[in-house]
Amino acid sequence: GDSVTQMEGPVTLSEEAFLTINCTYTATGYPSLFWYVQYPGEGLQLLLKATKADDKGSNKGFEATYRKETTSFHLEKGSVQVSDSAVYFCALSEVDSNYQLIWGAGTKLIIKP
Amino acid sequence: EADIYQTPRYLVIGTGKKITLECSQTMGHDKMYWYQQDPGMELHLIHYSYGVNSTEKGDLSSESTVSRIRTEHFPLTLESARPSHTSQYLCASTPLGGRGIQYFGAGTRLSVL
Repeated sequence: GDSVTQMEGPVTLSEEAFLTINCTYTATGYPSLFWYVQYPGEGLQLLLKATKADDKGSNKGFEATYRKETTSFHLEKGSVQVSDSAVYFCALSEVDSNYQLIWGAGTKLIIKP
Repeated sequence: EADIYQTPRYLVIGTGKKITLECSQTMGHDKMYWYQQDPGMELHLIHYSYGVNSTEKGDLSSESTVSRIRTEHFPLTLESARPSHTSQYLCASTPLGGRGIQYFGAGTRLSVL
């Protein structure tokens, strides 16, 4: 079945550092890919998405490119801030599963000032 | 952006009590979901609904039940709470054509003593 694998956390960085959180997936068809973010004490919110190969999703300085050849959707940001501290979830959806989300385990990001 | 509300935000209750966690959304979304999550950890789908009078169990076995009598309302009930039910419960909904885009409530953090 479909699955999503994320790098384990926590990931600890200093402010203004470059961020990469790895995400790879296994899917039978042509999934859409997502990054969601969960700030402390809150529910999740959509950060960015990509619906087909080579699409780049971007939002709030974060980017991720849908790489079909490597089945990856790595999240990047050039200069992180303390306010980016959160848990980041990679996910996929496919038409065959009625677009239910398949979730990665989440990666906790800690940014130190 | 969807408005989705969960009440209560926090609940501490004794073993054996019956509880209902409320979830309401104001955008007319047909698809709704309940997830169980230990804070900051992996999400587990416990129930979902594709519309009025439609409810299904998710991937994680749960002793809770749900109902969907109105489009905007998707309550979750535990008939007899136990300490193993201690967790965070997140409600989400998807707009028509959302294809994996889910809007989340802020969650209910449940502690069963």
